[in-house]
Amino acid sequence: QTVVTQEPSLTVSPGGTVTLTCASSTGAVTSGHYPAWFQQKPGQAPRALVYSTTDKHSWTPARFSGSLLGGKAALTLSGVQPEDEAEYYCLVYYGGGWVFGGGTKLTVL
Amino acid sequence: QVRLQQSGPGLVKPSQTLLLTCAISGDSVSSNNACWNWIRQSPSRGLEWLGRTYYRSKWYNEYAVSVKSRIIINPDTSENQFSLQLNSVTPEDTALYYCARGIDFDSWGQGTLVTVS
Repeated sequence: QTVVTQEPSLTVSPGGTVTLTCASSTGAVTSGHYPAWFQQKPGQAPRALVYSTTDKHSWTPARFSGSLLGGKAALTLSGVQPEDEAEYYCLVYYGGGWVFGGGTKLTVL
Repeated sequence: QVRLQQSGPGLVKPSQTLLLTCAISGDSVSSNNACWNWIRQSPSRGLEWLGRTYYRSKWYNEYAVSVKSRIIINPDTSENQFSLQLNSVTPEDTALYYCARGIDFDSWGQGTLVTVS
């Protein structure tokens, strides 16, 4: 069974920059895995932020950006705001199915 | 604007069948550009993609390996909705179940908490 791994937790100061990563047990994550990123706050459904590695939804703040970094998918937040405190999940496609990462709890402190 | 409205029971007995429905407004289940997914979330398993259905001149289904032997996702073109059927449930299937649209997962249902007990 494929495992997708994220940092369990990260802390960032307001106004700072942080990069969350998403690694695959099968090897490098590529654009062919169509990595996507979601934000989830308590009591809410996940909200899509990024899809197909770098594409943003119309509602995605400009400070969020997706990329590939050292064989992993990455989500970078630049100029972090207090409201960015949340759980972040990546999602990776493996030809016939999708697998979620375990999530990163981002604390803004 | 796409809206997904979920319905179905919140309590299912062990060994029985879980059945949820996701009604679509603002899009068509038969769209050649969309996929229709079921996802669940639990403290023990985190977020888990269960499967999807989509139409590309014919209907296709894809299912997660973890539930492949027990799951059916069916489109209903007459009602513009799709359903999740999960057979032989156990307490491990207790979770918050979501439907979601697309390969970009841009629209989600409100979630249905299903308890197997």
